[in-house]
Parts: sequence; C-alpha cells; structure tokens
Amino acid sequence: AQSVTQPDIHITVSEGASLELRCNYSYGATPYLFWYVQSPGQGLQLLLKYFSGDTLVQGIKGFEAEFKRSQSSFNLRKPSVHWSDAAEYFCAVGATDSWGKFQFGAGTQVVVTP
Amino acid sequence: GAGVSQSPRYKVAKRGQDVALRCDPISGHVSLFWYQQALGQGPEFLTYFQNEAQLDKSGLPSDRFFAERPEGSVSTLKIQRTQQEDSAVYLCASSFLAGLTDTQYFGPGTRLTVL
Repeated sequence: AQSVTQPDIHITVSEGASLELRCNYSYGATPYLFWYVQSPGQGLQLLLKYFSGDTLVQGIKGFEAEFKRSQSSFNLRKPSVHWSDAAEYFCAVGATDSWGKFQFGAGTQVVVTP
Repeated sequence: GAGVSQSPRYKVAKRGQDVALRCDPISGHVSLFWYQQALGQGPEFLTYFQNEAQLDKSGLPSDRFFAERPEGSVSTLKIQRTQQEDSAVYLCASSFLAGLTDTQYFGPGTRLTVL
C-alpha cells in the first residue's frame, strides 16, 4: 500500500522569499504523484502532477516539483512567494494501476509574512 | 455550473440524527469520489463511483455511511445515526474519465459538525 509523509506541518515564509515543501512517499513501483493547494473555503486545486518522464515538473502559479526516486521524494518549490500563496498544500500519491484513488499527506500550512 | 458543487456547505447535526450530503459533479464526468477530511488532516478516501456503479467503498468507516449515484450524475452521501467522530469536511471530486491520469476536480466541501 502507498503512503505519503509531509514532515512539515507549518511553514512561515516572507513574501518574496523562496519556498520548498517536502513530500516523501512509499510505494512499490513508480507512483503517480500530485500536489494540491487548498485555500480557505475553496476546493482542492491541482498544482502539478508527475507520471513519468522529466523529473522536474512545472505547474501552475509558478510552482515546480522534482521527483527523486532515490530519495522517494517529490518536493514542491517556488522561487518567490506571493501573499496569495498562503494556503494548505497537500502531496498525494496514487497507484498506477488504480482508477484514481489518492493517498494524501497530512498537509503543510504555509503562512506568508510581509 | 463550471465546477463541482456541494450542498449544504455547512451542516450541524445532533448526535443520532441522519444527514444527507449532495454532490453535483461536472456534467459528463464519469468518475466521482468522496473523501473525508478531519481537522488538520489530509483527505481520506471514502468511496468511488464510475457512472452509477459503486466500484470501491473500502474507505467507508462503518455501515452507517452509505453513498449512491443512481443516474450516474448527482451523488448523495448519507450518514445515519451521526456520531461526534463523524465531524469533518466531506469532499467530492469528479473526473472526466477513470484513472489517475485524468485530473480530479474537487468541490468546496460540506463541513459537518455533530454536537
């Protein structure tokens, strides 16, 4: 069975600074990996996804993530955060032979200070 | 509408009451998922429909939870004899096809509070 760990429950970052959110997964084969963002009162929005190929994935809102098989990681990065990036971020893994069932991490809350 | 909608957005129930939560997926979407998100946690899978067929209900916590999608569009999640531990946000998601390669679109959720 797959599992996802997000080691950081809460991160505070200054506006304009870089951001990196950690995600580690456990899965027997190459998984499908996702990052979602959840703003208050909003549904989860897909930022980016990795299935295969280039291990550096570009997403929306200036986010990118890098798949590192050797470290079982899929960390999310943004070079310069904006106040609107304050939200909760979820990493998710899916079995490649499934019809779409996700295993989500517990989430990382990002606070952006002026 | 353009996205997944859920109603009601907020529901307060007394312990022991039955509740029904509605999900309107994006029109034409084959797959529909229900998730439960407890406070401070990530969403946990409850059940999956492909059209009207419930193909996976392995995440339903107990037999008090029941979901249906009779015509392959709107879905209802019913919780009987609600307990305090049922308090959570219930999320619905839909995708055009089946499989992880197809983007899942999430609704805003229904926040259930059981007193």
